Amino acid sequence: AQSVTQPDIHITVSEGASLELRCNYSYGATPYLFWYVQSPGQGLQLLLKYFSGDTLVQGIKGFEAEFKRSQSSFNLRKPSVHWSDAAEYFCAVASLNTGFQKLVFGTGTRLLVSP
Amino acid sequence: GAVVSQHPSWVICKSGTSVKIECRSLDFQATTMFWYRQFPKQSLMLMATSNEGSKATYEQGVEKDKFLINHASLTLSTLTVTSAHPEDSSFYICSAYRDTHYEQYFGPGTRLTVT
Repeated sequence: AQSVTQPDIHITVSEGASLELRCNYSYGATPYLFWYVQSPGQGLQLLLKYFSGDTLVQGIKGFEAEFKRSQSSFNLRKPSVHWSDAAEYFCAVASLNTGFQKLVFGTGTRLLVSP
Repeated sequence: GAVVSQHPSWVICKSGTSVKIECRSLDFQATTMFWYRQFPKQSLMLMATSNEGSKATYEQGVEKDKFLINHASLTLSTLTVTSAHPEDSSFYICSAYRDTHYEQYFGPGTRLTVT
């Protein structure tokens, strides 16, 4: 069964510092890959997605992610974190066997931003 | 962009009563919608897939008679929690799948508290 692993439950980053959130997936073929952000008490907002092509994808709010097939990873990065980036971040995959419709989510990484 | 609304945003009900949550895709048609449940500080758990004009598909362990789903139109899906109990208290999130973008768009969530 496919799975998504976000190994970091919490990460604390100083404002202005760079950020990398890790995501690894387990699936036989390349799935569609997504990163979502959730603020407290809110729904999910899509940051970026990867379907095919260029393995470095740009998203909203200055985020980017790189797909590495050899590592089955899709890590999220931001060069300079802002206090407003503090939130919960979810990596998700959609696979061919569900028509790329159903999402499997990782457990999430809570980002804390220190002054 | 694609917008999904949920109503109500929060609801308090007494044990034994039923409550209905609406999920609407405001600017696109969605043949498929999804219902998730999220416990505090946890990831999203898919409850069911709602298909317009047909019966919903429930994930393993989800009681279909307790969580009634109706997808009567291409822009509306409803989740009814029947005979609610305190353990049904949770944050319920819906999403609408946009075929042309291979992407789910999420509603803002509904906080249900059963007293």
